[in-house]
Amino acid sequence: GDSVTQMEGPVTLSEEAFLTINCTYTATGYPSLFWYVQYPGEGLQLLLKATKADDKGSNKGFEATYRKETTSFHLEKGSVQVSDSAVYFCALSEGDTGGGNKLTFGTGTQLKVEL
Amino acid sequence: GAGVSQSPRYKVAKRGQDVALRCDPISGHVSLFWYQQALGQGPEFLTYFQNEAQLDKSGLPSDRFFAERPEGSVSTLKIQRTQQEDSAVYLCASRRTGISTDTQYFGPGTRLTVL
Repeated sequence: GDSVTQMEGPVTLSEEAFLTINCTYTATGYPSLFWYVQYPGEGLQLLLKATKADDKGSNKGFEATYRKETTSFHLEKGSVQVSDSAVYFCALSEGDTGGGNKLTFGTGTQLKVEL
Repeated sequence: GAGVSQSPRYKVAKRGQDVALRCDPISGHVSLFWYQQALGQGPEFLTYFQNEAQLDKSGLPSDRFFAERPEGSVSTLKIQRTQQEDSAVYLCASRRTGISTDTQYFGPGTRLTVL
């Protein structure tokens, strides 16, 4: 079945540091890939997405590129801020299979950014 | 505009009690999903509705779990004879269309604690 593996946290960085959170996936078809973020006390929010190979999703300074050859969708940001502290989830959704295209999530990576 | 809302936000039940969790999706959204998120884990799919039709219930862990969306809007997830392993956050998400690449919008979740 489909699965998503992402690096374990917590990841602790100083403000303005470079961020990479690794995500790899296993899927039978051609999935769409997503990064969701959960800020403290809030619900899951879509951060960015990519729907086909070589697409780059970007939002709020974050970006991720859909790499079919390495089955990866790593999240990057050039300069993190304290306000980026949150839990980040990588997820995939298979193409139209008639079953609603549920999201399959990784276990989440907690990011802590310190001054 | 209003997002996805869920009620109650917190629910404490004694083992063996029945509970009902409510989801109000974004108005006009065709698709509705329920997910279960255990502590420290990513959300896991439970069931999917397109309008009032339950098209996928493959993620429901047992026949104690039942979901409905009778008028294609509000949905209720019911858990009968709750067990301690049912303790988790239950997330509802809605999506404007039935298309896999469209964004799922999540509610804040209901945290269920079974004593």
